[in-house]
Amino acid sequence: DADVTQTPRNRITKTGKRIMLECSQTKGHDRMYWYRQDPGLGLQLIYYSFDVKDINKGEISDGYSVSRQAQAKFSLSLESAIPNQTALYFCATSDLGHANNEQFFGPGTRLTVL
Amino acid sequence: AQTVTQSQPEMSVQEAETVTLSCTYDTSESDYYLFWYKQPPSRQMILVIRQEAYKQQNATENRFSVNFQKAAKSFSLKISDSQLGDAAMYFCAYRSSGAGSYQLTFGKGTKLSVIP
Repeated sequence: DADVTQTPRNRITKTGKRIMLECSQTKGHDRMYWYRQDPGLGLQLIYYSFDVKDINKGEISDGYSVSRQAQAKFSLSLESAIPNQTALYFCATSDLGHANNEQFFGPGTRLTVL
Repeated sequence: AQTVTQSQPEMSVQEAETVTLSCTYDTSESDYYLFWYKQPPSRQMILVIRQEAYKQQNATENRFSVNFQKAAKSFSLKISDSQLGDAAMYFCAYRSSGAGSYQLTFGKGTKLSVIP
């Protein structure tokens, strides 16, 4: 089984709808991240969490919110989706104690907002 | 703020040949990590290779190696004996090594095609 899973893998929604993307990990890592990937722009950090009680904004957090329900679960919400939030969304994890702090990525969720 | 630049949006290589992907970065820090990630059509982000800035020796992983030039702030990826499965987007990424560091800063990527 995959160490970092994301649901759904693909989602089409309409402008104004609320949508939640979910991420779960079995790696036992403390840190979790949400990234957004747009064509030609690489990945940009939306939010990150160092533990259940620690949530921080990344470089492009406007229009998004997150919830760290447990060490293993980190959800990203779009309260009122808009078309320019159409993108590929990645969840990632890393281990606080690992010197290299390598990030492990989930398979991604392709979101289309009509 | 750190920036990462990949100046080659697309590259192609003949199967079994060698190709080098370029990456430059801008930072005022002396210690940091650099990474190359591969993203095949499956979308999965796969770590290819990492380099610690304090290490002078270039990292290698099988057919993949880097040319790390710290003074020039250059971090290129060399793929030897290219295979069809190497076709993918390749992203260069930077991370500070500070105690509270967390964020990966990515370049915009290079699309590599492998010609049979």
